[in-house]
Amino acid sequence: GAGVSQSPSNKVTEKGKDVELRCDPISGHTALYWYRQRLGQGLEFLIYFQGNSAPDKSGLPSDRFSAERTGESVSTLTIQRTQQEDSAVYLCASSLAPNQETQYFGPGTRLLVL
Amino acid sequence: AQTVTQSQPEMSVQEAETVTLSCTYDTSESDYYLFWYKQPPSRQMILVIRQEAYKQQNATENRFSVNFQKAAKSFSLKISDSQLGDAAMYFCAYRSSSTQGGSEKLVFGKGTKLTVNP
Repeated sequence: GAGVSQSPSNKVTEKGKDVELRCDPISGHTALYWYRQRLGQGLEFLIYFQGNSAPDKSGLPSDRFSAERTGESVSTLTIQRTQQEDSAVYLCASSLAPNQETQYFGPGTRLLVL
Repeated sequence: AQTVTQSQPEMSVQEAETVTLSCTYDTSESDYYLFWYKQPPSRQMILVIRQEAYKQQNATENRFSVNFQKAAKSFSLKISDSQLGDAAMYFCAYRSSSTQGGSEKLVFGKGTKLTVNP
């Protein structure tokens, strides 16, 4: 596809369960970003990948959150032992290179933790 | 750390009229990028317009234009001839131009919900 895709679109889980969220960036984009958007709020940065490495993980809120990227394409954000405060929309973005200022966003995954 | 403030949680405009959304930011850097993104109910973040801080000329994209006041650290968005399809959340965002670690992320304001009345 031409744009950033994310799956699943929606995810409902029970407190304490682990979840995996997937992001497929635009083909050829080396930089990939994860953001979190809580209800009625702006986006909060979580983590940034350049290729398969993550130079900036400063936004991950706790050690329950982790992410990886393989093959300079797909990235997975994993939340372990989910809590109700993890409920949010998780958005992924990609850009051609780190110094390319425009980030293109996917449609997000809405996570609801019951 | 940089911060972005959008002081208008909600705005409304009549169809075909003009509306201006406000954004201020705080930074000690001299070179950076500013953006306006639109987020309709579909959740898709759509880039509306961007501005490079080193450029004095205000960016324009069709009905969308900005008023960039670098000294005042202000970056407002003007939507002319508003259309029903413009109704959405609008987010102002900042990005450093530095390529040092930690500077690649976008810093967002909390957004302004725009309603367009027919």
